[in-house]
Amino acid sequence: QLQLQESGPGLVKPSETLSLRCTISGDSINSSSYYWGWVRQPPGKGLQWIGTIFYTGSTYYHPSLESRVSISADTSKTQFSLRLISVTAADTAVYYCSRHMVIAAAAVDFWGQGTLVTVSS
Amino acid sequence: SYELTQPPSVSVSPGQTASITCSGNRLGDKYVSWYQQKPGQSPVLVIYQDNRRPSGIPERFSGSNSGNTATLTISGTQALDEADYYCQTWDSRTVVFGGGTKVTVL
Repeated sequence: QLQLQESGPGLVKPSETLSLRCTISGDSINSSSYYWGWVRQPPGKGLQWIGTIFYTGSTYYHPSLESRVSISADTSKTQFSLRLISVTAADTAVYYCSRHMVIAAAAVDFWGQGTLVTVSS
Repeated sequence: SYELTQPPSVSVSPGQTASITCSGNRLGDKYVSWYQQKPGQSPVLVIYQDNRRPSGIPERFSGSNSGNTATLTISGTQALDEADYYCQTWDSRTVVFGGGTKVTVL
């Protein structure tokens, strides 16, 4: 059974960099059938897609975050990371890592449990 | 950028049918997915490719998509169906979510 687990600091200072890692159990980033990505949810608000990575290394990002975000996969293909620079309070959210089905318009069939990241001094 | 619009809230009586709409330009030309999210939990996929149910999702959840509107229908709504529901599609290499609809079972 696939499991996704987010890890990283729960508190980040304004203007600094948010870094999170997602560990994949039961699969790897080696298949053309899936994208792997990040979705966030500010407190009390809706879901916002951040970006995805494909097994080829291709990445796609939300237009409003593209200048600040990067997603990368490690060589083992069982972890991928999110990096968001120059954070502000508006980046406070629960961050989920996700697996997206390519044939289903990137429908998310598996989600991590989510990790709350607070941006505050 | 592409946008999906959902009503903020829908109310339904137990046992009745709830319909949640999701609107977007020529949405019927794209696949739509739907997610259920309860407080404090990760979202759960309930419909993908417009009308397909993942394993374990009850038959009372169904979907349709035509023209500019996709619809999630919950037949025989139960109290445990009270949750936020989000639609989602893929456009120009970006994942797009609707703003979400809170379904209240009165």
